Amino acid sequence: NAGVTQTPKFQVLKTGQSMTLQCAQDMNHEYMSWYRQDPGMGLRLIHYSVGAGITDQGEVPNGYNVSRSTTEDFPLRLLSAAPSQTSVYFCATQGSPYEQYFGPGTRLTVT
Amino acid sequence: AQSVTQLDSQVPVFEEAPVELRCNYSSSVSVYLFWYVQYPNQGLQLLLKYLSGSTLVKGINGFEAEFNKSQTSFHLRKPSVHISDTAEYFCAVSVLSNQAGTALIFGKGTTLSVSS
Repeated sequence: NAGVTQTPKFQVLKTGQSMTLQCAQDMNHEYMSWYRQDPGMGLRLIHYSVGAGITDQGEVPNGYNVSRSTTEDFPLRLLSAAPSQTSVYFCATQGSPYEQYFGPGTRLTVT
Repeated sequence: AQSVTQLDSQVPVFEEAPVELRCNYSSSVSVYLFWYVQYPNQGLQLLLKYLSGSTLVKGINGFEAEFNKSQTSFHLRKPSVHISDTAEYFCAVSVLSNQAGTALIFGKGTTLSVSS
């Protein structure tokens, strides 16, 4: 039982490049979300989803796309990376009642 | 809209001293409240949560928090800290979505530094 897994652990991109951060869970949780963590800013919600085909925007959705085709996977896409997207990204699932389980994070640097 | 304010960005304390990390929230509806801990270079771990019932909530590692609805606060306390409690602590409030369940809004974090 791996819980929440994220790949890659580290990534360096050049401005304008695109990439997908992967998130997978084996807990059969319907709810999944993406956060970014920046120094002094805490965690800010990017997008979230309650199941296949249903997503919603969080506090900071601009520059990010998501889709949810399966219960297990919730990828986060950066279509054209910018230096302002340099951050640590966390994926989370929500069990019952309302407890969220976080992945280990992806550290992204955009140069 | 809901928001969370952690009143102290850094709290330095000596080992075995008591500590309180303060958290205030704003919301026009009932909320669920959480405290998470993040050790260096690790993910987040749930310390405790308030959903309903008793306003004093006990969590892991000897931490507890008290929900105060009139003061919209959810302060975290520990009577005697250890060096190993050095970490960043986040207060969070749940947000109900019409479309997609719940999400968490986090405070900016409090760094607890315990020294001997």
